[in-house]
Amino acid sequence: SAVISQKPSRDICQRGTSLTIQCQVDSQVTMMFWYRQQPGQSLTLIATANQGSEATYESGFVIDKFPISRPNLTFSTLTVSNMSPEDSSIYLCSVEDRQGASYEQYFGPGTRLTVT
Amino acid sequence: GQNIDQPTEMTATEGAIVQINCTYQTSGFNGLFWYQQHAGEAPTFLSYNVLDGLEEKGRFSSFLSRSKGYSYLLLKELQMKDSASYLCAVILNRDDKIIFGKGTRLHILP
Repeated sequence: SAVISQKPSRDICQRGTSLTIQCQVDSQVTMMFWYRQQPGQSLTLIATANQGSEATYESGFVIDKFPISRPNLTFSTLTVSNMSPEDSSIYLCSVEDRQGASYEQYFGPGTRLTVT
Repeated sequence: GQNIDQPTEMTATEGAIVQINCTYQTSGFNGLFWYQQHAGEAPTFLSYNVLDGLEEKGRFSSFLSRSKGYSYLLLKELQMKDSASYLCAVILNRDDKIIFGKGTRLHILP
C-alpha cells in the first residue's frame, strides 16, 4: 500500500493570502487527486493532478483559485489562493493503486486549514 | 447528476451486527468503495466491489447489486473502536473520478 505524507498538517492563515500544500507518495503513482472536506461534510473532489499536463478540475473549482503542480509521479502541490473564511476546510491528497482486479485508494493525513 | 444516498446516523450495540446501506444513481459505474473515517482523521479504505455479490474481509463484508444500484457494508461483532463515519463512494467510468456519499455516522453503545 502507498504511504502518503502531506505538509503542512495544519495552518491558520489570513484572508487574502495563499497557502501551498505538498503531497509526497513513497512510490510512483499514475493518478493523484485532491479533495476538500468541509466541517461535517463528505469529501468533494477538487481536481485530478496529471503528470506532465494541466490538472483536470471539477465543476465549481478553477485553476486560478486552486493551482496544482505535478512535477513527477511521486509529488504534487495544491495552492489555495486569495483565501477567504469559506476556504477553511481539510484538504486531502489521494492516490489510487490498481493491481489486476484489485483497486484501492489511499488518502494522505490531510491539511487542516483555517482562514481568519 | 450524481446521487449517492446513505443514512446520516445509526446506533448499534457492542458485539452486535449492523448493516449500512448505500444507494446510488450515477452517470457511470466502475466500482464502489467503502471507507471508514474517524473524527479528525483521513478516510481509511475498507473494501472495493465491482462485481455483484458479497466480499468478506474479517469482521467487515460489503455487498453490491449493480442492477439495483445498491450496496451495503456489514459490520459484525461490533467494537467500540468501530464508532466512526462510513463513506460509500462510486467510481465513475470517466477518468476514475470518485463521488462520495455524505457518510453514515455510526455510534456504538456499550
